Amino acid sequence: QQQVKQSPQSLIVQKGGISIINCAYENTAFDYFPWYQQFPGKGPALLIAIRPDVSEKKEGRFTISFNKSAKQFSLHIMDSQPGDSATYFCAASYRETSGSRLTFGEGTQLTVNP
Amino acid sequence: EPEVTQTPSHQVTQMGQEVILRCVPISNHLYFYWYRQILGQKVEFLVSFYNNEISEKSEIFDDQFSVERPDGSNFTLKIRSTKLEDSAMYFCASKVMSDSPLHFGNGTRLTVT
Repeated sequence: QQQVKQSPQSLIVQKGGISIINCAYENTAFDYFPWYQQFPGKGPALLIAIRPDVSEKKEGRFTISFNKSAKQFSLHIMDSQPGDSATYFCAASYRETSGSRLTFGEGTQLTVNP
Repeated sequence: EPEVTQTPSHQVTQMGQEVILRCVPISNHLYFYWYRQILGQKVEFLVSFYNNEISEKSEIFDDQFSVERPDGSNFTLKIRSTKLEDSAMYFCASKVMSDSPLHFGNGTRLTVT
């Protein structure tokens, strides 16, 4: 019930293309869905996040689409650049306690070819 | 921009030894966390800490693990008797309020031999 499933495991996109990464969750108590970007040797860095009261959130080239009924959310990277090459993690949490732990997906290694 | 700082960046220890991983969270943050990432796997929650006590811990965080905030700036994770399977990258994270974004440090790579 706590799992967040992420796909694909790896993704290769040409420069200028659209990168799409998908996540699915089971626990309907989740109410916060962030995406993290991680470069080698670095910690995860928050990219964009959404709450279930909206179906889409856009920040620059990054968009989260959220489908509450399907319990799925996805990250779209428009005009993908070589500098976007990194590992992307979706995550979810809920406010049951003040801890509000993040449950992460398995990660997607994105490679953007020049 | 303020950062979560972790030291050391890499620690090698022998099985059975105690290790202490150190973190300096962002100064006005009130919620503190440890996560770990085994090589090539997903990031896993270990423990959260608020108001000088553990607020939540995962099944990974057994009696071999402990956390402490000994002063107003440091947040430590102690592993009392390390096992080979404790080898991982350990990330400290903090946030200012419950609903705020979580900021991660760059991690400490722990290698247990």
